[in-house]
Amino acid sequence: KNEVEQSPQNLTAQEGEFITINCSYSVGISALHWLQQHPGGGIVSLFMLSSGKKKHGRLIATINIQEKHSSLHITASHPRDSAVYICAAPPMDSNYQLIWGAGTKLIIKP
Amino acid sequence: NAGVTQTPKFQVLKTGQSMTLQCAQDMNHNSMYWYRQDPGMGLRLIYYSASEGTTDKGEVPNGYNVSRLNKREFSLRLESAAPSQTSVYFCASSEDGRWGEQYFGPGTRLTVT
Repeated sequence: KNEVEQSPQNLTAQEGEFITINCSYSVGISALHWLQQHPGGGIVSLFMLSSGKKKHGRLIATINIQEKHSSLHITASHPRDSAVYICAAPPMDSNYQLIWGAGTKLIIKP
Repeated sequence: NAGVTQTPKFQVLKTGQSMTLQCAQDMNHNSMYWYRQDPGMGLRLIYYSASEGTTDKGEVPNGYNVSRLNKREFSLRLESAAPSQTSVYFCASSEDGRWGEQYFGPGTRLTVT
């Protein structure tokens, strides 16, 4: 069982829809990363958060450390949001290694 | 400010050949990482360098060596390439290991025949 699990694995939606991607983890962590991998392969860090909520443009990330759950929301989705979204977390006993989720492949249709 | 750069972008090797993947960052970050990503799979950490002068094994270090040449540069060497090392390799850096966002290079697509 992967210690960081994402759902859904695949998500197809229409342009404009509100998107939610979930990340649950079984290890004790102090923070969580959300990243985006473009269809061309490039990887971009979106958020790193340890509590509450962060917002950047149409992207919102929330985390509940006690419930071991984080969500990534996209408002007013657009075809350019199509990508793989990955969550990753540094376990408490490691300063440098991240446990990676398998990713959620998002397709936004026009 | 180029961020994280990697060379080469593509490489084809024959089994048994050696090569070095180069990575450099201009953000004055302390920590640097090498990952591999196989088709349909997530990132796996090969080696990391917490700070200049230190390197440590990650999840899949066998068949690889690394050098943290200075604060900017972190290279990955394949001494005797094997088909199982066909993958996309990403270099990343962060200001502070656990607490820092990781910034990724564009990747090197390596094929070993």
